[in-house]
Amino acid sequence: DTGVSQDPRHKITKRGQNVTFRCDPISEHNRLYWYRQTLGQGPEFLTYFQNEAQLEKSRLLSDRFSAERPKGSFSTLEIQRTEQGDSAMYLCASSLGEMNTEAFFGQGTRLTVV
Amino acid sequence: GIQVEQSPPDLILQEGANSTLRCNFSDSVNNLQWFHQNPWGQLINLFYIPSGTKQNGRLSATTVATERYSLLYISSSQTTDSGVYFCAVKLDTGRRALTFGSGTRLQVQP
Repeated sequence: DTGVSQDPRHKITKRGQNVTFRCDPISEHNRLYWYRQTLGQGPEFLTYFQNEAQLEKSRLLSDRFSAERPKGSFSTLEIQRTEQGDSAMYLCASSLGEMNTEAFFGQGTRLTVV
Repeated sequence: GIQVEQSPPDLILQEGANSTLRCNFSDSVNNLQWFHQNPWGQLINLFYIPSGTKQNGRLSATTVATERYSLLYISSSQTTDSGVYFCAVKLDTGRRALTFGSGTRLQVQP
């Protein structure tokens, strides 16, 4: 078990471009979460999946953001028409089962929009 | 939504000192985790502790769910303990994802 893996680790993009991030959860984990963290703040919830179903989306997830988990394994987070305010660390986490289980985080993808 | 407050926001210690970090939350929770964020941004799991007390080496944690707080104790601090410590909770009902506090930034000086 190699833990939660995210790719890329760093991404620099020009304003207006689209970017896509990937998250590979721990293999047996059925729940997958995306968070965004800006400088000096705690991570903020964006969305989560149980298997392939996207069960909740935060108000932070504007219509420029879309997330998928097509086969209940890896997930992608796409940001269209990036803005400078999208610059942040994007974190992925996974957990097994329902409520009372421990979540594990990946190393994050640091996005810089110039 | 649930409020998670951590204190103090910043803490500077000399190596070898002990410290206590606090996390208060506003609603009943069924999951509470403490994390250490390293300088590269990764969140390292310290404790999964919805209630009770746990210890792991120089670190220990206590959650009193009925009084809605948790404490993280760091003893004999080392420079490698520096970083940001986050408390995160999950509600009994509603959102099924962790809600984070704003963290305690710890700096341990040699």
